[in-house]
Amino acid sequence: QQQVKQSPQSLIVQKGGISIINCAYENTAFDYFPWYQQFPGKGPALLIAIRPDVSEKKEGRFTISFNKSAKQFSLHIMDSQPGDSATYFCAASQGSGYSTLTFGKGTMLLVSP
Amino acid sequence: EPEVTQTPSHQVTQMGQEVILRCVPISNHLYFYWYRQILGQKVEFLVSFYNNEISEKSEIFDDQFSVERPDGSNFTLKIRSTKLEDSAMYFCASKTGTGSNEQFFGPGTRLTVL
Repeated sequence: QQQVKQSPQSLIVQKGGISIINCAYENTAFDYFPWYQQFPGKGPALLIAIRPDVSEKKEGRFTISFNKSAKQFSLHIMDSQPGDSATYFCAASQGSGYSTLTFGKGTMLLVSP
Repeated sequence: EPEVTQTPSHQVTQMGQEVILRCVPISNHLYFYWYRQILGQKVEFLVSFYNNEISEKSEIFDDQFSVERPDGSNFTLKIRSTKLEDSAMYFCASKTGTGSNEQFFGPGTRLTVL
């Protein structure tokens, strides 16, 4: 019940295209859903996050869509650029205390020039 | 911009040896975490630490592991007797307080157990 399932495992997108990564969760107590971006040899960096009281959040080219009834959320990267090539992790946590993050398995995105 | 720092960046050790991984969280943060990432796999939670005690730990965090905040700035992870399967990237993270969920991650320490 604590798992977060992420797909696809890898993704190749042409420059300028839309990258879409999907995640699903089981635990309805989760109330915070961040996406992290990780470059090789670096730590995960927070990209964008959403709470279940909204269905969509947009920051620049990055958008999270959230479907509470389906227990799914997705990351859309518009106008994908080669610099977006990285591994993306969805995650979830509950509460505002120590709020441990549960991560998905990650999606390796390659944006071809 | 404040950031979480970790040392060393890479640690090589022999099986059975003790290692200490060090982290300096962001200075006004109150919650501290260790996660690990085995090569090519997802990031996994190990332990959270608040108010000088462990808040939560995963089943990975067995008796071989311990954490400590020896002074006002450092946060350490000790593995008492390393195993081959402890080889992974270890990330420290911190967050401000109960008003925020955002965890800031350090660059990681790559631990290689031979």
